[in-house]
Amino acid sequence: SAVISQKPSRDICQRGTSLTIQCQVDSQVTMMFWYRQQPGQSLTLIATANQGSEATYESGFVIDKFPISRPNLTFSTLTVSNMSPEDSSIYLCSAKGPGTDTQYFGPGTRLTVL
Amino acid sequence: KNQVEQSPQSLIILEGKNCTLQCNYTVSPFSNLRWYKQDTGRGPVSLTIMTFSENTKSNGRYTATLDADTKQSSLHITASQLSDSASYICVVSVGRAAGNKLTFGGGTRVLVKP
Repeated sequence: SAVISQKPSRDICQRGTSLTIQCQVDSQVTMMFWYRQQPGQSLTLIATANQGSEATYESGFVIDKFPISRPNLTFSTLTVSNMSPEDSSIYLCSAKGPGTDTQYFGPGTRLTVL
Repeated sequence: KNQVEQSPQSLIILEGKNCTLQCNYTVSPFSNLRWYKQDTGRGPVSLTIMTFSENTKSNGRYTATLDADTKQSSLHITASQLSDSASYICVVSVGRAAGNKLTFGGGTRVLVKP
């Protein structure tokens, strides 16, 4: 199994600012993902973080708003740019290792934008 | 459109009682179906994962069933405990490639009362 940690665990931010969320996995994984979970809702995939190249974004999400980096196999960052109250949500990092179909999730980052 | 529907949206049960959660899906091509448990403020944790050919899978007091013909799954919780209070999310993996997409249900919130 993979253990995933995220920093920060929560933050309260002002409108118009940006926040970068870090995700660290304790073992090498093949795929890393970023999800958003709005209050009372299920998870929505934002993008797949690709090592050493641009992330693959889902419909409705763009790189300018959610730039993602993945410099190596175990680390990724998601930035929420130019935040508005509508960005208040839980952001979750997820990873999948080689030879398994199980997807592991981090504890999430609870973001509140005022 | 790929969809995963869960019922009920929420339920309250007394400690020690059993309950069953339902999941109906319309996805193609189907790869596998997972049940996740998400405690409040935490990321989802995998309970079971079933492929097309599997009808049932257990993980302790959790037993999942899958009927691929009717595209239905259920999660049965036996002898519920207070720690079972959580959201339970049905997730279907779509596609046959290594990068299968996950389609998430809306979840069922379970509250176990003493």
